[in-house]
Amino acid sequence: EIVLTQSPGTLSLSPGERATLSCRASQSVSSSYLAWYQQKPGQAPRLLISGASSRATGIPDRFSGSGSGTDFTLTISRLEPEDFAVYYCQQYGNSPRTFGQGTKVEIK
Amino acid sequence: QVQLVESGGGVVQPGRSLRLSCAASAFTFSTYGMHWVRQAPGKGLEWVAVISYDGSNKYYADSLKGRFTISRDNSKNTLYLQMNSLRADDTAVYYCAKDRGNLAYIFDYWGQGTLVTVSS
Repeated sequence: EIVLTQSPGTLSLSPGERATLSCRASQSVSSSYLAWYQQKPGQAPRLLISGASSRATGIPDRFSGSGSGTDFTLTISRLEPEDFAVYYCQQYGNSPRTFGQGTKVEIK
Repeated sequence: QVQLVESGGGVVQPGRSLRLSCAASAFTFSTYGMHWVRQAPGKGLEWVAVISYDGSNKYYADSLKGRFTISRDNSKNTLYLQMNSLRADDTAVYYCAKDRGNLAYIFDYWGQGTLVTVSS
């Protein structure tokens, strides 16, 4: 099983700042089959990125994904108030498909 | 707009059964794989099960040990999860999620979830 480790656990930033979230896999993720989801309190997750770097429909371009192999990054170029949430990475290239434990982006 | 509405959650005693439903609308349900994903209170996401577009293929998380069964009725645009021999650690919000394709395991739309609480 591929274990995904997200860091940091919590990121305290101000609106307008840049957020950099890391997702590290215990073994290489096939074909960069890595997705990112955003979850706000009391809401369902929302797909942001798939294929490590492809934004889902309707996702603003301040969200970008990068990486390959075992190291992946989600970057939010300038935080908007609505971006404060928990972010999860997920690998879907190997069975069982697994999620990271999440990174909380909170207002500083 | 794609809509997924779960129902059937509630409080159930350990060892009992429960069936969840997910009503889908605004997309061609019969052409997409569908998943159940759960989230224990205050915890992360855990994939539970997937069913192919036509119901011919079903896969489950190993941790379930055969207690759960996923099914679908394409004539009713509805996904189901039959949960048997429930345990306290099955307590979670259960989300149904649409697959981007058949078995891509990319969850592009999610329902709002239904809470299952297993407690005596």
